[in-house]
Amino acid sequence: EAQVTQNPRYLITVTGKKLTVTCSQNMNHEYMSWYRQDPGLGLRQIYYSMNVEVTDKGDVPEGYKVSRKEKRNFPLILESPSPNQTSLYFCASSFGGGYTEAFFGQGTRLTVV
Amino acid sequence: QKEVEQNSGPLSVPEGAIASLNCTYSDRGSQSFFWYRQYSGKSPELIMSIYSNGDKEDGRFTAQLNKASQYVSLLIRDSQPSDSATYLCAVELDKLIFGSGTRLLVRP
Repeated sequence: EAQVTQNPRYLITVTGKKLTVTCSQNMNHEYMSWYRQDPGLGLRQIYYSMNVEVTDKGDVPEGYKVSRKEKRNFPLILESPSPNQTSLYFCASSFGGGYTEAFFGQGTRLTVV
Repeated sequence: QKEVEQNSGPLSVPEGAIASLNCTYSDRGSQSFFWYRQYSGKSPELIMSIYSNGDKEDGRFTAQLNKASQYVSLLIRDSQPSDSATYLCAVELDKLIFGSGTRLLVRP
């Protein structure tokens, strides 16, 4: 089954404790991205990757890191989480950047206390 | 000015009615337009894509695009309670830019 898999689905953590949210896709997509979704603000892109070892900042990259060592995986790293990073996070993948359908993971609801 | 604008709603329609959802965008260079449906707490899923001016129909859904007016809409005919969700408009600008979504409520 074609899918984007994120883990964990839910995470509560404390300020400053490093965490990683994993994302994996099995569709051989080149383009992957991370979004956060907050009430009234919609989906905002954090980082994206056009291929292995190629990553770039989206609209709200501060406080986040990513890596793309393999085509299928695109983890999101919060080195020192803060309460303003409490949000619903989605990983997405597609064949192209913006002109093809994006497939989304199940979402990770992160709470930083 | 936001790049992609949607009325947040909620838009409330009775079961069986036509729901009309609207979206405007700011960049005339956009070439690809998408409508995603998102149920509460779930991930967005694509329901329609449209690339050229005019209408595109798929079952009960019709997407309409007017590039001159920078306007894209989604019509849902014979609305069902299961259509109650947030509908996200997305526009291609080298990457996908999402509107903040319109919440649709279909009353039984």
